[in-house]
Formats: sequence, C-alpha cells, structure tokens
Amino acid sequence: DIVMTQSPVSLPVTPGEPASISCRSSQSLLHSNGYNYLDWYLQKPGQSPQVLIYWGSNRASGVPDRFSGSGAGTDFILKISRVQAEDVGVYYCMQGLQTPYTFGQGTKLEIK
Amino acid sequence: EVQLVESGGVLVQPGGSLRLSCAATGYIFSTYWMHWVRQVPGKGLVWVSRINEHGTITGYADSVKGRFTISRDNAKNTLYLQMNSLRAEDTAVYYCARDVAGANDYWGRGTLVTVSS
Repeated sequence: DIVMTQSPVSLPVTPGEPASISCRSSQSLLHSNGYNYLDWYLQKPGQSPQVLIYWGSNRASGVPDRFSGSGAGTDFILKISRVQAEDVGVYYCMQGLQTPYTFGQGTKLEIK
Repeated sequence: EVQLVESGGVLVQPGGSLRLSCAATGYIFSTYWMHWVRQVPGKGLVWVSRINEHGTITGYADSVKGRFTISRDNAKNTLYLQMNSLRAEDTAVYYCARDVAGANDYWGRGTLVTVSS
C-alpha cells in the first residue's frame, strides 16, 4: 500500500499570513497519463470533507485562488497565500493512483 | 444541485451485518465512479471502497476486503455498502463520495455505524 505522510500535524497561523503543508508518498503518484494522482481535502469542523486540489495542482471548482498545490512524484505541497479564519480545519492529502487509496494523517490548521 | 444522502447506519452487534445506502440526485449517477470513506469520530479519513460507473470494477481497503461489498443500482441512483462480520473497529461515520478525475468532488453528510454489544 502507498503510505502518505503529512507534516506538520498542527499548524497555528496568524490571519493574513501564508501557510504550507507537505505531503509525501512512499511511491510515485505519477500516472502514465502524465498526471499525479494526489488530492487535497479540507474538513472544516462539523462538516464533510471538501476537495481543494486534484491532480496535484488543479484547483477544484469554487476553491479560492489563495489555495494552490504543487509537486510531483512523491513530494507535494499545499499552500495558502493568506490564511483566513474560514480556513480552519483539518487538511488531508490522498493518493488516488492505486487501490487501496490512502490518506495522510491530517494537518490541523488553527488560527493564532 | 448534486446531493448525496447516506442512510442505514445503526447500532449493530459484533459479527452482525448492515447495508448502507447512498442516494444520489442532481446528476447522472450512472456516469460516475463512487467511493465509500469512513472516519472514526475525532480521527482521520480512511478510504474503504470504490466502484466504477457500471459496477464491474471494485476495490477495497485491506481491512474490509472479504467482509464488505460495494455495489450500485443505476436505475435507482443508489450506491450500497454491504457490511458483514462487523467488528468494533468498523465503528465510524461512513461517507459516500463522487469521483471526478480521481478526486472526490461531492460528499454526503455521512451515516454513523456503531458496532457494540
């Protein structure tokens, strides 16, 4: 199984400041079609998860442009250019390259 | 508007069986892959299973393989998860989610399954 490792586990951020989360996979997530099958999700308190980024760097519909994803192969980063209060929650990366799909352990973003 | 509504979560004894349902509305259900993901309250997300649009390709987490079966009825716009030989560690909120480009773009609100004597 592909193991997904996120860091940090906890991320306190001052509003208006940038934030970044790292996700590393135990195997390359590059598909033969040229896409990296790595997604980012945010689960706000009391809510279901919502997709932010798919294929490593494609912003999902309706996601603010302060969110961006980068990386390839085994190393990926989610960046928030200017954190807002509504961004609090737990962020997860997930690999969709092969079953069983696997999530990272999550990164809890909180406002300082 | 796309909506996914899970149902069927209850308290069940260890070793028991349960079938979860996920009713899909607002889109052409038969053209999308679907997933089940679970979450122990307060813990992280765990992928459980997926199925292709025709119901001919399935995949499972190792922890549920041989005990859970994913299926779908495209005529009823409904996804299912048959759960057998339930264990305490299967206790979780179960979400269904739609797959687009390998990402889960719509999620239901979840249904709670509790396995306890």
